[in-house]
Amino acid sequence: DVKVTQSSRYLVKRTGEKVFLECVQDMDHENMFWYRQDPGLGLRLIYFSYDVKMKEKGDIPEGYSVSREKKERFSLILESASTNQTSMYLCASSHTGGVVYGYTFGSGTRLTVV
Amino acid sequence: GESVGLHLPTLSVQEGDNSIINCAYSNSASDYFIWYKQESGKGPQFIIDIRSNMDKRQGQRVTVLLNKTVKHLSLQIAATQPGDSAVYFCAETAGGVGNEKLTFGTGTRLTIIP
Repeated sequence: DVKVTQSSRYLVKRTGEKVFLECVQDMDHENMFWYRQDPGLGLRLIYFSYDVKMKEKGDIPEGYSVSREKKERFSLILESASTNQTSMYLCASSHTGGVVYGYTFGSGTRLTVV
Repeated sequence: GESVGLHLPTLSVQEGDNSIINCAYSNSASDYFIWYKQESGKGPQFIIDIRSNMDKRQGQRVTVLLNKTVKHLSLQIAATQPGDSAVYFCAETAGGVGNEKLTFGTGTRLTIIP
């Protein structure tokens, strides 16, 4: 069963901490995405990557960075966590030209910043 | 700006009845649309898609209708079951192959009444 795996389901971090959210996919997908999901706002794109070592800003990149050193792994980094970054974070992947089948999502990481 | 949104944030339907979930979009260049289902504690899952050269597509118990004139699409679920309870998102993209970004709506929570 192909999947996108997010390393943590729940995280609690303190304000100012550097936070790493990890995502791994086993489908050899070229594209990977990080979204945050907040009630009433839907899914908002933070960053995405079309290839190893490539990254592009999404709609809300401020306060975040990403790393993609290997094709299967895409990490989201909160440089200095703040309470307004408390949210559900979803990772997704897709084949290039494969958007016709949509994304495959992970189960999400619920991050609370206190 | 461009947006994809839903008319109703919540919908309650009697078990066995049909459900209709609506979605409006504003980007006239959008040429591909997807419906996702997100159950509690899980990431969104692909349900059905439709291209802009179609106005109707049917799957198993689901039908998507696209009205390009008014930039509106809907998801119809026939004979709803308790397992249909979830949040449903529409998503859209424009630009064809190579443009892999999806823009998501805010979601509608569907509750099935026994």
